[in-house]
Amino acid sequence: KQEVTQIPAALSVPEGENLVLNCSFTDSAIYNLQWFRQDPGKGLTSLLLIQSSQREQTSGRLNASLDKSSGRSTLYIAASQPGDSATYLCAVSNQGGKLIFGQGTELSVKP
Amino acid sequence: DVKVTQSSRYLVKRTGEKVFLECVQDMDHENMFWYRQDPGLGLRLIYFSYDVKMKEKGDIPEGYSVSREKKERFSLILESASTNQTSMYLCASSFDSGTSAYNEQFFGPGTRLTVL
Repeated sequence: KQEVTQIPAALSVPEGENLVLNCSFTDSAIYNLQWFRQDPGKGLTSLLLIQSSQREQTSGRLNASLDKSSGRSTLYIAASQPGDSATYLCAVSNQGGKLIFGQGTELSVKP
Repeated sequence: DVKVTQSSRYLVKRTGEKVFLECVQDMDHENMFWYRQDPGLGLRLIYFSYDVKMKEKGDIPEGYSVSREKKERFSLILESASTNQTSMYLCASSFDSGTSAYNEQFFGPGTRLTVL
């Protein structure tokens, strides 16, 4: 059974710092991996999708990498801002497009 | 931009009531999903649908049913609401590219349901 783990559960950094969020999964037979952002009490916003054949995807200050063989993905956020404060979730997709989610990393960027 | 809307942001119901949660997407997506999100348990899949009138059970279907009469609308039904169904409910949709590698899911704003 696929399990997705995100470490750390919470992270607090000063504004301007570069940071890395980690995601690991137990079964490498995935179709894709998605990173989401969730603000308190709100829905999920899709940030990046990496197909299983890809190694990384970039969007603005965000860069996500995927190492399928080792079951790991990282989300790199450059020059963090207070507006980046949110919970970041990773999810892997199996056959049929169903997502299995990690528990999330709660990020706080201090001014 | 893909838009997924949910009928209510907040809902308060009484134990035993029948509850309908509505989700509508405007991008002609084939796939639609219902999740619930609870502290410490994360997001869990309740039901999903690959096409009109089709439905599949997710990981926690007990106490729920769904309806998909039109492609753009996917309804979650709590037949007899119970207090343990108090949760945040999230709807999502995705395009069916024929290969799951491209199926990016887009989420609605969520419905916070409280059952008293």
